Amino acid sequence: DAGVIQSPRHEVTEMGQEVTLRCKPISGHNSLFWYRQTMMRGLELLIYFNNNVPIDDSGMPEDRFSAKMPNASFSTLKIQPSEPRDSAVYFCASSSGTGDGYTFGSGTRLTVV
Amino acid sequence: GEDVEQSLFLSVREGDSSVINCTYTDSSSTYLYWYKQEPGAGLQLLTYIFSNMDMKQDQRLTVLLNKKDKHLSLRIADTQTGDSAIYFCAENNSGNTPLVFGKGTRLSVIA
Repeated sequence: DAGVIQSPRHEVTEMGQEVTLRCKPISGHNSLFWYRQTMMRGLELLIYFNNNVPIDDSGMPEDRFSAKMPNASFSTLKIQPSEPRDSAVYFCASSSGTGDGYTFGSGTRLTVV
Repeated sequence: GEDVEQSLFLSVREGDSSVINCTYTDSSSTYLYWYKQEPGAGLQLLTYIFSNMDMKQDQRLTVLLNKKDKHLSLRIADTQTGDSAIYFCAENNSGNTPLVFGKGTRLSVIA
């Protein structure tokens, strides 16, 4: 199993540009989570899906952020327009729901200049 | 809301034991986890414990849970320089709900 796969690993973009982060969860996992990590705020949950359905998006900072999960094997997190304060590491994680923990991807380090 | 607290830093000498502590507020926590994050990497699940357990041992790792005090600890025996990382405590109350993370404890191992 290749684990949770995120792309790109690094993204540098100019303020105002659209950014799309991608995640492929582990096959058979039915829950997917997007987290953001910064030095100041630690790990923050942005949104999560169960069986491809968004359950809680209250952590999404603003309307500039949107997430989709069109099928069980793919999810995107989009920021439009991006701002420098969005600079962070964005993690995707998936879970089978059995309580044995989440598997995290390697993250996307986003820098908005 | 739920909260998970950890001390931010711990420094130990190589070969000593490390103990990282965590407290949580959610009395309905069912699963409690320890994750490790090395620089530039994602979070790696180290071990977890169900709330109906008091202790779990896995090689050099020992997890102790005091449910009454809502206190979780991770003991690393014979700490090595490769154990230097940030350790996160996390909890949730079912397998499909989000993990609530502490801010992480940065463990530094001195050779």
